[in-house]
Amino acid sequence: ETGVTQTPRHLVMGMTNKKSLKCEQHLGHNAMYWYKQSAKKPLELMFVYSLEERVENNSVPSRFSPECPNSSHLFLHLHTLQPEDSALYLCASSQAPRFSYNEQFFGPGTRLTVL
Amino acid sequence: GENVEQHPSTLSVQEGDSAVIKCTYSDSASNYFPWYKQELGKRPQLIIDIRSNVGEKKDQRIAVTLNKTAKHFSLHITETQPEDSAVYFCAALKFTYQLIWGAGTKLIIKP
Repeated sequence: ETGVTQTPRHLVMGMTNKKSLKCEQHLGHNAMYWYKQSAKKPLELMFVYSLEERVENNSVPSRFSPECPNSSHLFLHLHTLQPEDSALYLCASSQAPRFSYNEQFFGPGTRLTVL
Repeated sequence: GENVEQHPSTLSVQEGDSAVIKCTYSDSASNYFPWYKQELGKRPQLIIDIRSNVGEKKDQRIAVTLNKTAKHFSLHITETQPEDSAVYFCAALKFTYQLIWGAGTKLIIKP
């Protein structure tokens, strides 16, 4: 596998379920990101990890819980979600920028549907 | 708060014509402006970017211009081809790690 991979690609869950999204990057990067993509809206940055330390948390509800055990893996733990959380969840990685000008490489996304 | 406005939301052009997508940002401290292309069902990919110390950058049929005074930047695609059909996102760098994204422009190339 090359690049950034995400599993599962599709997920349907009830509001009382607990599930996790997984992201893995094979690019030797040390920064990883979770984004939420909803139709006709800007990409919403949820979390950023740099060198396994969380550096951004954009007022995301606590029902989303990220985990970054090492620089290659990123998880998003989900519990008691709402129907409005249905969206495409994209993971991305980049080199931890010294001057911030590094390309972000995206995974294929997980299409989440909350019933 | 900081935001990026992107227009138009949909753009339809005849194959071979040029396409222009415009973005306006609010944070004058922004200093890096990438453009990403997302084809249907695929992941966003960087196609071109520009830093605030440069006014224009070209890469074959694609160019980006930046007007720091007016706080806007534009993507220009010349001689459009069917494979240019996609959603294009602009973004502006807010802090070290945070890109503020536009809402996207769906570009349709008519044969």
